[in-house]
Amino acid sequence: QVQLQQWGAGLLEPSETLSLTCAVYGGSFSGYYWSWIRQPPGKGLEWIGEIHHSGSTKTNPSLKSRVTISVDTSENQFSLKMYSVTAADTAVYYCARSRRATISYFDYWGQGALVTVSS
Amino acid sequence: EIVLTQSPGTLSLSPGERATLSCRAGQSVSSYLAWYQLKPGQAPRLLIYGASSRATGIPDRFSGSGSGTDFTLTISRLEPEDFAVYFCQQYGTSPRTFGQGTKLEIK
Repeated sequence: QVQLQQWGAGLLEPSETLSLTCAVYGGSFSGYYWSWIRQPPGKGLEWIGEIHHSGSTKTNPSLKSRVTISVDTSENQFSLKMYSVTAADTAVYYCARSRRATISYFDYWGQGALVTVSS
Repeated sequence: EIVLTQSPGTLSLSPGERATLSCRAGQSVSSYLAWYQLKPGQAPRLLIYGASSRATGIPDRFSGSGSGTDFTLTISRLEPEDFAVYFCQQYGTSPRTFGQGTKLEIK
């Protein structure tokens, strides 16, 4: 059974850097694409970006300049960094798996992590 | 990017009833549409992909239909554990986008 476990700082001040990590257990890490998705309070889900185990990445153009996604294949983990956060970045952040790049659905998800940006 | 509009925003039904949830795309996504169930504190669960294919382990009371721009998720007989928020997602065009969600609540 594939499980995604995520963690990271939950409370940030404006202009700080959001940092989250997702570990993958119980399945293959290679051959899949690993995404970050968020849901602001009261709003829908937004795909942030994805990474392949090879290190190739794709990011939502709306966030591209502020986002870095990296991978650690030795630990079966991938990470998200979002720079210069504002209150608009307050959301539940999820990690998720897809079988193909960019144009695919997500078959396994993490449980979500609430990140609040507030001064 | 493709906008997905879900309706209704909230659906109030009783266990045993039939639920019909709608997802409309701003332009055609062919059959590249998925549905997810989201409960507080839990990982979202893939229900349907390819507009009508049930994911592994999903009960057959869940069914999906549609193509192009209009899609429907039907839950034939609601069980207590089905009351949750449901999202649709298109993956026909990058970036992948999601609907705003339909909250299915107990009447």
